[in-house]
Amino acid sequence: GENVEQHPSTLSVQEGDSAVIKCTYSDSASNYFPWYKQELGKRPQLIIDIRSNVGEKKDQRIAVTLNKTAKHFSLHITETQPEDSAVYFCAASTSGTYKYIFGTGTRLKVLA
Amino acid sequence: EAQVTQNPRYLITVTGKKLTVTCSQNMNHEYMSWYRQDPGLGLRQIYYSMNVEVTDKGDVPEGYKVSRKEKRNFPLILESPSPNQTSLYFCASSLSTGHYEQYFGPGTRLTVT
Repeated sequence: GENVEQHPSTLSVQEGDSAVIKCTYSDSASNYFPWYKQELGKRPQLIIDIRSNVGEKKDQRIAVTLNKTAKHFSLHITETQPEDSAVYFCAASTSGTYKYIFGTGTRLKVLA
Repeated sequence: EAQVTQNPRYLITVTGKKLTVTCSQNMNHEYMSWYRQDPGLGLRQIYYSMNVEVTDKGDVPEGYKVSRKEKRNFPLILESPSPNQTSLYFCASSLSTGHYEQYFGPGTRLTVT
């Protein structure tokens, strides 16, 4: 079945450094790729998303890149801050079914 | 205030005792979905609904039922809960069929003994 692999499972960075989280998807028909952030004890919240007709999208310190040929997409956070510490989930979905497959999550720790 | 609500927030029950977790949204969203979250497994979609009376299976539908009789409500039913259904459950909704931001409810922590 469809699968989304996410790496790394944990990531520690110094405040101000960059963080990169990578996801690989299996269904070549996937065309929508959101990223959700979940702070401890809270609900997931969308931080950025990208559609398959776009290769890169930026929103301030956050960017997502998509490589359709390789079937992988990545989240980039620059100038990390302690409030970026959370679990980040990638996901993939396909038009027509609108079923979502999530990755297993990355716990990001930003060390002050 | 625009929101997704779930009830109950915490539930401890015994094997085989039928239960329902309610989900309601006040944003007139067409798409609603249920997920379970387990350590190391991320979020897994159980069922989703693209509109009233339209539901479909997600990745892990076994042991669960849903119904969508009204646009705002999407209850999750466990007819005969088992310990492997102990988990954190999230309901979510989004504007329409099509890819839009999903708004998650606060979660329901279920323990089946």
